[in-house]
Amino acid sequence: AQSVTQPDIHITVSEGASLELRCNYSYGATPYLFWYVQSPGQGLQLLLKYFSGDTLVQGIKGFEAEFKRSQSSFNLRKPSVHWSDAAEYFCAVEKTGANNLFFGTGTRLTVIP
Amino acid sequence: SQTIHQWPATLVQPVGSPLSLECTVEGTSNPNLYWYRQAAGRGLQLLFYSVGIGQISSEVPQNLSASRPQDRQFILSSKKLLLSDSGFYLCAWSPHRETQYFGPGTRLLVL
Repeated sequence: AQSVTQPDIHITVSEGASLELRCNYSYGATPYLFWYVQSPGQGLQLLLKYFSGDTLVQGIKGFEAEFKRSQSSFNLRKPSVHWSDAAEYFCAVEKTGANNLFFGTGTRLTVIP
Repeated sequence: SQTIHQWPATLVQPVGSPLSLECTVEGTSNPNLYWYRQAAGRGLQLLFYSVGIGQISSEVPQNLSASRPQDRQFILSSKKLLLSDSGFYLCAWSPHRETQYFGPGTRLLVL
């Protein structure tokens, strides 16, 4: 069965600092992987996705993520965080054959001046 | 371009009352449609998905039901709400086994 783990419930970083949000998955084959961002009271916005090919994926808002098969990870990174990046971030894995996404429990990002 | 709408945005209902949440998609045809629930402090749980009109798959047994009366309309319902039905309900669509795009959500509070 597929599962997604986001080990950090809450992360606080200073504006301008670098960011890395962790995501580990459990899946028997190469998965489709996604990162979404959710601002308070809003829906989810897609940041980036990995289906195949280059393991370093670029997304919107300056985010990138790297798929590492050996570590079953798909960590999200940003070199310099902006105050507007404060939000909840969700990693997701596609379930094969059933059009389903499995979501992690999310990481809440707080950005301090 | 495609857009997805949900209404109402916020709803406060008493326990035991019925529920109807609506989701519509514009700018595409025959999309996959999904209902998720997000409880406070938790991730998203898939409730239902649909690959076509009248085709509904349920992921978890619960007090809710879903219907797809038209190609781009997805409705989440309940005959009698429970306190545990409170949460943030998100509708999503995808062009078949690709990225899912989410609506703005409906916040439901059952009192």
